[in-house]
Amino acid sequence: AQRVTQPEKLLSVFKGAPVELKCNYSYSGSPELFWYVQYSRQRLQLLLRHISRESIKGFTADLNKGETSFHLKKPFAQEEDSAMYYCALKNSGSRLTFGEGTQLTVNP
Amino acid sequence: DGGITQSPKYLFRKEGQNVTLSCEQNLNHDAMYWYRQDPGQGLRLIYYSQIVNDFQKGDIAEGYSVSREKKESFPLTVTSAQKNPTAFYLCASTPGLAGFDNEQFFGPGTRLTVL
Repeated sequence: AQRVTQPEKLLSVFKGAPVELKCNYSYSGSPELFWYVQYSRQRLQLLLRHISRESIKGFTADLNKGETSFHLKKPFAQEEDSAMYYCALKNSGSRLTFGEGTQLTVNP
Repeated sequence: DGGITQSPKYLFRKEGQNVTLSCEQNLNHDAMYWYRQDPGQGLRLIYYSQIVNDFQKGDIAEGYSVSREKKESFPLTVTSAQKNPTAFYLCASTPGLAGFDNEQFFGPGTRLTVL
């Protein structure tokens, strides 16, 4: 069965520090993974997808099939990065399985 | 801020009552979804519909029902059989059925409280 795990419910860093939000998955097929973000009082929205190999707002995420991970990283965190982050795995068709979410707080 | 709209924003219901949450999209998307969001549990899929007049159960469909009579509308009914209905409900849509562009677009959500 498909499963996405985000081991940290809460993560707190200082402005300018590196940040890594962990995501591990289990899936028998070829995975397609995404990171979604929900800023305070805003809608949940797509941050990035692994297939595009893009960097959005300074964030990157590399798919590591050997470790079944898709960790989200940013070298220098900013206060505006404070938000809830969800890792998601695409199932058959267009379904997504979401992780439990990590609340990131970037302190000044 | 169009695209996907959900109404109402807040909803209160007494135990034993059914209630229907509205979700409308003007993006011409084929697929639509309903999730509930609970603290520490992430988003869990209730129902989804890939095309008009068709829908499938998600992971936690018990106590819920849906319909998809129009492409732009996907209402969710929370029935009295749902044992723990107090939650934040999110509606989403996707352009294609199983294509590359699987980005889901989300509505603003409805917070349901059972009194």
